[in-house]
Amino acid sequence: RKEVEQDPGPFNVPEGATVAFNCTYSNSASQSFFWYRQDCRKEPKLLMSVYSSGNEDGRFTAQLNRASQYISLLIRDSKLSDSATYLCVVVNGDSNYQLIWGAGTKLIIKP
Amino acid sequence: NAGVTQTPKFQVLKTGQSMTLQCAQDMNHNSMYWYRQDPGMGLRLIYYSASEGTTDKGEVPNGYNVSRLNKREFSLRLESAAPSQTSVYFCASSEGVVGIYGYTFGSGTRLTVV
Repeated sequence: RKEVEQDPGPFNVPEGATVAFNCTYSNSASQSFFWYRQDCRKEPKLLMSVYSSGNEDGRFTAQLNRASQYISLLIRDSKLSDSATYLCVVVNGDSNYQLIWGAGTKLIIKP
Repeated sequence: NAGVTQTPKFQVLKTGQSMTLQCAQDMNHNSMYWYRQDPGMGLRLIYYSASEGTTDKGEVPNGYNVSRLNKREFSLRLESAAPSQTSVYFCASSEGVVGIYGYTFGSGTRLTVV
């Protein structure tokens, strides 16, 4: 089992719709979680951190479920510019605190 | 505001050739990293440098070496390139190892080994 798993997609969603995707992680000792966004042939960029209580940044909401070991990302009122690959990142709960990256979920917003 | 600068952006090598990927950051970050990204896989850490003067192996260090030249610069060397090293390489930096404020990435190097 991969340490961090994501549905690769692609998710094809009409503009204005709400889309959500999950990311599961295997190490219960993981402490910190992030969502990054990566545009085609570009570098990843931090979208948002994921806090235990859940957090919202504009149209984006991130949630953490420690019991089931997954994090989620919800995008409301999707825009064409939201088309990208979304990478789930989990901080290794062991001593070296390395980041473990999911392979990403590809999102395509259609007009 | 340059952030993280990587060179070169593209490179084609023959099997057995060597090369060095250069990375520099101007954000005064302590920690720097080298990752590779392959289709269908998450970013995998090759080496990292938690602070100036230290380097450590990541998940996939075989076939690579690194040098933390100073606080700004962190280079990655392939001594004898193999086709399995065909990948996109990203350099990144962060204030601390966990990167709670996020990692800043360079624009990547697309390396093909033939």
